[in-house]
Amino acid sequence: DAGVIQSPRHEVTEMGQEVTLRCKPISGHDYLFWYRQTMMRGLELLIYFNNNVPIDDSGMPEDRFSAKMPNASFSTLKIQPSEPRDSAVYFCASSWRTELQGPQYFGPGTRLTVL
Amino acid sequence: AQSVTQPDIHITVSEGASLELRCNYSYGATPYLFWYVQSPGQGLQLLLKYFSGDTLVQGIKGFEAEFKRSQSSFNLRKPSVHWSDAAEYFCAVVHPLGNTPLVFGKGTRLSVIA
Repeated sequence: DAGVIQSPRHEVTEMGQEVTLRCKPISGHDYLFWYRQTMMRGLELLIYFNNNVPIDDSGMPEDRFSAKMPNASFSTLKIQPSEPRDSAVYFCASSWRTELQGPQYFGPGTRLTVL
Repeated sequence: AQSVTQPDIHITVSEGASLELRCNYSYGATPYLFWYVQSPGQGLQLLLKYFSGDTLVQGIKGFEAEFKRSQSSFNLRKPSVHWSDAAEYFCAVVHPLGNTPLVFGKGTRLSVIA
């Protein structure tokens, strides 16, 4: 298995622009998680899905952030408009269908820089 | 509230020396426990997990962890550290019957010196 795939690996954009991060979970995994990692705040859970349905989005920082999962093999995290404080590494992770309590498997991350 | 604490922000060890990274949790019940490693520029990789049974758990890369219920701890150990072990290490916990996902500690950064 290829593992969790994220794209792009690096994104540099200017303040005010729309940013879309993409994730393909491991095949057969029904849970998908989006995290943000910064030096100041560490690893933060933004939102997670089960069977393509958002379960908890309480970690999404503002309305500028939105996430979708149109099918079992694809999810997006969108920031519109982007701000410099959104600069971070964004991770996607997935886990097995019955294992919200099970291990999560992480992608390599997308390093976002907003100028 | 459920919480996990990694008391050490940064640890430096000499190559070949032993290593112990601490993890303490605060839960009403015995949680499921995990250790992850994050190498520079990489995602988090699962090192090992504990659900039940033998309290000494073996993982990848020569790591092991011991669950101690009386101390609410799940410390990660390695008998001889290699330079390639330099990374960030995260402990994570989850309630086995809860409806919330893993809670991660803030991480411990490991530096290895010659």
